[in-house]
Amino acid sequence: SYELTQPPSVSVSPGQTASITCSGDKLGEKYACWYQQKPGQSPVLVIHQDTKRPSGIPERFSGSNSGNTATLTISGTQAMDEADYYCQACDTGTGVFGGGTKLTVL
Amino acid sequence: QLQLQESGPGLVKPSETLSLTCAVSGGSVSTSSYFWGWIRQPPGKGLEWIGNIYYSGSTFYNPSLKSRVTISVDTSKSQFSLKLSSVTAADTAVYYCARRETKRGGGFDYWGQGTLVTVSS
Repeated sequence: SYELTQPPSVSVSPGQTASITCSGDKLGEKYACWYQQKPGQSPVLVIHQDTKRPSGIPERFSGSNSGNTATLTISGTQAMDEADYYCQACDTGTGVFGGGTKLTVL
Repeated sequence: QLQLQESGPGLVKPSETLSLTCAVSGGSVSTSSYFWGWIRQPPGKGLEWIGNIYYSGSTFYNPSLKSRVTISVDTSKSQFSLKLSSVTAADTAVYYCARRETKRGGGFDYWGQGTLVTVSS
């Protein structure tokens, strides 16, 4: 079955740029989605179709997808961005998730 | 505003069948633009996609769970349901229902609040 791999943790200083990667076989030929989940809350979709932000998601969130790797980039990271982030292969009706990355803003 | 609400027993015995329902309000499940899905999250762990259903009844299941999962939709009640058979302690998780666009690259854009199901005797 298809698998997606994320780093368990990423740290970033406030105001800096955070990059979270998601690796999978030929992931660039599929679409990637990204979700943010804060403790005790349901996940929130922050990126779909590789690069598109849903309404209400700040412009500092962006995405890319090429080769075997999709990347979520958060520019000018704020303390409120501290959360778990999950990628998903959202190409078809199926949808495996990556293992998740804990983003720490310190 | 679309809302999804999971309901069902919070405690299920090992080897029995877990049954949950997701009620959809503020919108219709009878739309060609969306799938309706189930996702779960064991305590302290990551998200696991369980499966999706289209309003017509077409389904997509996670291969690792396919032999135990049944997802159905009731358009007259604007709800869809999950059944997971032969449960074990490994099936203890928060179960979420969610909506996902059918277009390629569409994500789960509306989620329920989640319901914790514990498998224990």
